[in-house]
Amino acid sequence: AQSVTQPDIHITVSEGASLELRCNYSYGATPYLFWYVQSPGQGLQLLLKYFSGDTLVQGIKGFEAEFKRSQSSFNLRKPSVHWSDAAEYFCAVAHGDMRFGAGTRLTVKP
Amino acid sequence: KAGVTQTPRYLIKTRGQQVTLSCSPISGHRSVSWYQQTPGQGLQFLFEYFSETQRNKGNFPGRFSGRQFSNSRSEMNVSTLELGDSALYLCASSPGTGRDEQYFGPGTRLTVT
Repeated sequence: AQSVTQPDIHITVSEGASLELRCNYSYGATPYLFWYVQSPGQGLQLLLKYFSGDTLVQGIKGFEAEFKRSQSSFNLRKPSVHWSDAAEYFCAVAHGDMRFGAGTRLTVKP
Repeated sequence: KAGVTQTPRYLIKTRGQQVTLSCSPISGHRSVSWYQQTPGQGLQFLFEYFSETQRNKGNFPGRFSGRQFSNSRSEMNVSTLELGDSALYLCASSPGTGRDEQYFGPGTRLTVT
């Protein structure tokens, strides 16, 4: 069965520092992969998606993610974090239905 | 285009009651999925509807049901509410089904007392 693992429950970074959020998936074929962000009390907003092709995908708000088949990973990165990036981030895999990881809560220190 | 809308945004019910939540998808989207989000269990898939047919169902008891209308609007019903049903219920719409990206509404916060 498909599954998604986000190993880090909570990450704290300083404003201006780089960010990498980890995501590992378990699926037999190449899945469709997504990153979503959720601000407190809000729904989820799509940051980026990977279906096929170039393994480095660009998203909104300056985020990017790299698909690595050999590592079954789809890590999210941002070169310089802003205070407004503080939120919860979810990785998801889709095939038939969409499965979400447990989420990583990002705190940004001033 | 207007986004996904969910009504009501907040709801307080008593154990044993039933509740109906509503979701209006983005215009042109034919698929609507429902999720339950709780601090302990995270985001859990409830069911997906496409063109008025339930396409997929998650691992929830029969007290949770849904339907989709011909205009793609969807409703979710929970009968005989339990305290553990307190959660944020999220609706998402997508153009097709299966692998399309989903667009989420703001959610309905249900509190069962």
